[in-house]
Amino acid sequence: NAGVTQTPKFQVLKTGQSMTLQCAQDMNHNSMYWYRQDPGMGLRLIYYSASEGTTDKGEVPNGYNVSRLNKREFSLRLESAAPSQTSVYFCASIRGPYNEQFFGPGTRLTVL
Amino acid sequence: QKEVEQNSGPLSVPEGAIASLNCTYSDRGSQSFFWYRQYSGKSPELIMFIYSNGDKEDGRFTAQLNKASQYVSLLIRDSQPSDSATYLCAVSLSGTYKYIFGTGTRLKVLA
Repeated sequence: NAGVTQTPKFQVLKTGQSMTLQCAQDMNHNSMYWYRQDPGMGLRLIYYSASEGTTDKGEVPNGYNVSRLNKREFSLRLESAAPSQTSVYFCASIRGPYNEQFFGPGTRLTVL
Repeated sequence: QKEVEQNSGPLSVPEGAIASLNCTYSDRGSQSFFWYRQYSGKSPELIMFIYSNGDKEDGRFTAQLNKASQYVSLLIRDSQPSDSATYLCAVSLSGTYKYIFGTGTRLKVLA
């Protein structure tokens, strides 16, 4: 089992460019999440998908869109990147019944 | 605004000592509480979760929950230099699928 995988690992964008961060899990989990982590701010929830076919906003959704492509895959899209979106992005999936979160390795994004 | 508070540290303890990490939360309805360890440059890794008031032990780790005081803690016995990391407290928000994370406590175990 690969667990939760994310691509790419690193990315540098210019302001205004777009990109999609990919996340996949092979653990048959229903729920998947996208977080960003900034120094001194902790992990903040961007969007989540409680089950295939549903998505909901988290704490900091502005500037992002998501797609739950199927049960395995949950992508995060930046339509017009801004320097404020420079961060480390983590995808996670949730295992029931105790709702433990398993994180991917992260994507380090820099927006110039 | 629901919050989870942690002392940022660093908390320095000598090798072999007990490290005590604390977390308070504001959502009285929260039911699930988690501790994650995060090494520098790596992703968070779940080490403990607790649902009921009292203590839960797993090896060298003990999680303690007091819902009346809205307080959860993590004790690490026989601390090792390899325990040096940032420890994140996370709380599930009542009635939602959302989780709130604290900013983490950096632990340094001195050899």
